[in-house]
Amino acid sequence: GAGVSQSPSNKVTEKGKDVELRCDPISGHTALYWYRQSLGQGLEFLIYFQGNSAPDKSGLPSDRFSAERTGGSVSTLTIQRTQQEDSAVYLCASRRGFAHLNTDTQYFGPGTRLTVL
Amino acid sequence: GQSLEQPSEVTAVEGAIVQINCTYQTSGFYGLSWYQQHDGGAPTFLSYNALDGLEETGRFSSFLSRSDSYGYLLLQELQMKDSASYFCAVAGANNLFFGTGTRLTVIP
Repeated sequence: GAGVSQSPSNKVTEKGKDVELRCDPISGHTALYWYRQSLGQGLEFLIYFQGNSAPDKSGLPSDRFSAERTGGSVSTLTIQRTQQEDSAVYLCASRRGFAHLNTDTQYFGPGTRLTVL
Repeated sequence: GQSLEQPSEVTAVEGAIVQINCTYQTSGFYGLSWYQQHDGGAPTFLSYNALDGLEETGRFSSFLSRSDSYGYLLLQELQMKDSASYFCAVAGANNLFFGTGTRLTVIP
């Protein structure tokens, strides 16, 4: 597609419920990233995919968070048993290829605003 | 671990020049990126410095000194539309580690 898309744009859920957030990267981009941004804060790295594998999951804050990527394209971030502190904007970004970061730009999607009541 | 420091807020007058500084501590440093984010929007890439020196792109320039673990973003001929948050980010092997951002307000 023309850009990175994410769905839903907004999600309100009750504490304890599970949520799934979806990211469609730019077509042909092999690298995909998930970040979390709390209000007025910077971006917190969550996980990185190269193709369908995740060589770096170091940013996932707890075992309630998981992510997968299928077909080298769409990725879903799942948060189980949501807590109020999970409320944030979840941003997805994709990058063209295997080249090092200094030759590729990360393109961000518009984000999903998650509110846990 | 990794840490970045940048001012939380900067205010400047339309038409003026503003410099946003970023200092960092990190292992596995590959370069320093700058991103712009308008309220409610997604971050967009501005610049990347892998080597020491100044990179210029139109009204925006970015500088890096690896020996000082320091960089800055320079915005010239400020316009009202430049009001946004600006993030420096350290490039590691696999990801970007972002600072908490500098909120720039341009006033008439």
